[in-house]
Amino acid sequence: EVQLVESGGGLVQPGGSLRLSCAASGFTFSSYAMSWVRQVSGKGLEWVSTISSSAGSTYYADSVKGRFTVSRDNSKKTLYLQMNSLRAEDTAVYYCAKSGSPAGAESDFWGQGTLVTVSS
Amino acid sequence: QPVLTQSSSASASLGSSVKLTCTLSSGHSSYIIAWHQQQPGKAPRYLMKLEGLGSYNKGSGVPDRFSGSSSGADRHLTISNLQSEDEADYYCETWDSNSWVFGGGTKLTVL
Repeated sequence: EVQLVESGGGLVQPGGSLRLSCAASGFTFSSYAMSWVRQVSGKGLEWVSTISSSAGSTYYADSVKGRFTVSRDNSKKTLYLQMNSLRAEDTAVYYCAKSGSPAGAESDFWGQGTLVTVSS
Repeated sequence: QPVLTQSSSASASLGSSVKLTCTLSSGHSSYIIAWHQQQPGKAPRYLMKLEGLGSYNKGSGVPDRFSGSSSGADRHLTISNLQSEDEADYYCETWDSNSWVFGGGTKLTVL
């Protein structure tokens, strides 16, 4: 059974940093791209970042480029999102999602999400 | 970069059928999309991958009541024999070489 479990969310001050993790199980983690998608309360889904299966390629939304860094450890079957210079508008539930291909395609499985709150 | 357009809301009666639409922007009418369901208070759930010619592949455990179809730049999700648990937000998703995008979502109300 595929499982994605996010952790690391919490309350952080504006300008601060946070690292999210997503532990994967039930599939060959190293064979699939992985993504982060966020959702502000009451709003729609917003793509944040995607990393290819080998970590050779990374992609970012303009809203987070230069502040967020996606990475993965295939030996630990874990996806990460390092978030720096956080802003109030980064407050959202962050979901990790498995892609349907090594290079990135549809999100074919979602985690349960972790809440990030940026506030003083 | 493609843009996906969805109606903000839809409604249909219990036991009836409803067809939701996601429209791809000009120049992107051949793109593959995915449909996702998000029930209130829950994480999104992958429903299916839908290609431009109308073929689709559903995720594990998605009921037969859910089907997909395509017409030009429009990608449709049809839900038959509507159940109360189908009341949810429905999002479409697509991607190109270096970015992903979601539609704004359609809130489906089951009457």
